[in-house]
Amino acid sequence: DGGITQSPKYLFRKEGQNVTLSCEQNLNHDAMYWYRQDPGQGLRLIYYSQIVNDFQKGDIAEGYSVSREKKESFPLTVTSAQKNPTAFYLCASSIEGTGGRNEQFFGPGTRLTVL
Amino acid sequence: GNSVTQMEGPVTLSEEAFLTINCTYTATGYPSLFWYVQYPGEGLQLLLKATKADDKGSNKGFEATYRKETTSFHLEKGSVQVSDSAVYFCALRASYDKVIFGPGTSLSVIP
Repeated sequence: DGGITQSPKYLFRKEGQNVTLSCEQNLNHDAMYWYRQDPGQGLRLIYYSQIVNDFQKGDIAEGYSVSREKKESFPLTVTSAQKNPTAFYLCASSIEGTGGRNEQFFGPGTRLTVL
Repeated sequence: GNSVTQMEGPVTLSEEAFLTINCTYTATGYPSLFWYVQYPGEGLQLLLKATKADDKGSNKGFEATYRKETTSFHLEKGSVQVSDSAVYFCALRASYDKVIFGPGTSLSVIP
């Protein structure tokens, strides 16, 4: 089955530690995205990548970093510079066909708790 | 810039009631419009979509019609079930732009 996997489902880290969240897709999608969701809130875009070896900052990129070395993988690192890292993190992907108005598909999410 | 406005929640309905969640948008050109659903602790799932004016998206008893004249994409269902309890997000995507999500509307359906 094609889809997006995020691991782990739950992640606990001590304050001041960097942590990397995994996102893998086997949909052969060109673009990938990272969102942050806080309790009762909507989605905020952290970073996105439309092609391998290229990515752009979203609305809340400070304290986060990404890489896109392979088409199917887009890991997100939450650094110690992120002041409030506890949140639900969602990865998404989309195919960038003609018109560029296609939907995004989402992974199941990773809940990060910083103690 | 592009934006999406949704009705504020939470919305509480009895089982078998009629559901409407209002969504209006501001965008240049002809964006695609989407409704996503999020169950507790899960990622978003695409519920339905419409890509041009007067298109009707439908899935699992939910419907929404792309109304360009009123810039709206209201979500409707004739008879809700307890299993429909979730958060619903309206979204749009203009050509080669990022997806713009509304704030979400929480729906609770009680037996």
